[in-house]
Order: sequence, then structure tokens, then C-alpha cells
Amino acid sequence: AQSVTQLDSQVPVFEEAPVELRCNYSSSVSVYLFWYVQYPNQGLQLLLKYLSGSTLVESINGFEAEFNKSQTSFHLRKPSVHISDTAEYFCAVRRNTGFQKLVFGTGTRLLVSP
Amino acid sequence: GAVVSQHPSWVICKSGTSVKIECRSLDFQATTMFWYRQFPKQSLMLMATSNEGSKATYEQGVEKDKFLINHASLTLSTLTVTSAHPEDSSFYICSARDFSSYEQYFGPGTRLTVT
Repeated sequence: AQSVTQLDSQVPVFEEAPVELRCNYSSSVSVYLFWYVQYPNQGLQLLLKYLSGSTLVESINGFEAEFNKSQTSFHLRKPSVHISDTAEYFCAVRRNTGFQKLVFGTGTRLLVSP
Repeated sequence: GAVVSQHPSWVICKSGTSVKIECRSLDFQATTMFWYRQFPKQSLMLMATSNEGSKATYEQGVEKDKFLINHASLTLSTLTVTSAHPEDSSFYICSARDFSSYEQYFGPGTRLTVT
């Protein structure tokens, strides 16, 4: 079975500061890794994903995440955040074979203040 | 891009009544759809997985007789909360997996309040 740990339940930062949201996973098999963002009272939107290849993946709005197999981590980073980045961020994993379900972490609330 | 819709976006019902929530994949076919439940400030909890034309697979601890799931077509799945109680109040999110790409897309969620 897979599991995901997001140690930080809330991360407050000032606008234009850098941020890192941590995600660690546990799995005995190879997995795909995902970051989703959820704005208030909305569903989840895929932010970025790692399936294979380059361990550094980027999103269109400036976020990036790096897959580190040895540390079983997939931390999300952004060099300069905006007020509009305030949201809940979920890390998720899925086995990379067959039709497998997503396993979510508990989420990290990013609070960006002016 | 792929869009998943849910209807209604919010609903208030009286205790003891039933509520149906629809989940539609608008521009792709979804042989598999997922239903999640999310409590305030918590993560998503998978309730069940439904495959088109067959019975849903429920996660441990989820009452299949209370949460009826139907996946009658490649673009529509429904979740019916039967004999709703206040503790069923929650945010319900569906997700659909694209048959061709295996990508999973999420709906905007339905907030259910049982009074």
C-alpha cells in the first residue's frame, strides 16, 4: 500500500517570498506522483505530475516539484508567491501499473499575505 | 481540456430524505469514476470506485446501502445519499478517469447540508 505524508498543515508566507511545501511518500512499488490545488469551495485541479523521465517537473504558473527517489520526496516549490496562490495543496501518489487509485496526503494550506 | 461537472453544486435537505448528486464527464469518456468525501480542512477520502456498467467497489467502512452509486453510461455517474442524516453533511467530489489517457479529472464538488 502507498501512503503520503504532508507534514505542514499550514504554511504562511508573505507575497513574493519563496515557498516549499513538503511531501514524502511510502511505497514498495514504483509510483506516479501528483500535486493538486484546491481553491475554496472548489474541486481539485492538477498542478503538476511526475510519471517518468526528468525528475524536475514544472507547472504553467511557476510551481515546480522534484522527485527524489532516495528520499522518497516530491516537494513543491515556487520562487515567488502571489496572493492568488492562497489555497490548499494536496500531494498524491498512485501505483504506476494498472488502474490504481490515488492516495492523497492530508493537505497543506498555503496562506499568502501582503 | 477535460471537464467534469457536478450537479448540484450545493444542496440542503431535511434529515431522512434522499439526495442525488450527478457527475458528468463533458468531453471525454470515463469508464471509471471515483467518489470522494471531504470534511472541513481535511483530505479527500475515497468512498467508492465505479466502473461503467458494473457495481461500484466501496472502500472499507463506507455503507453501500446508504451511498448508492450508479454508473450507467460512459459520461454519467450518480451518488445517492439515502435517508440522509446531519452527519452526512460534507463536501462530495467526483472524479473521472479518461478512458484513452488514464488521466483523472475532478469535478467542482457538491456541498451537502442535512438539517
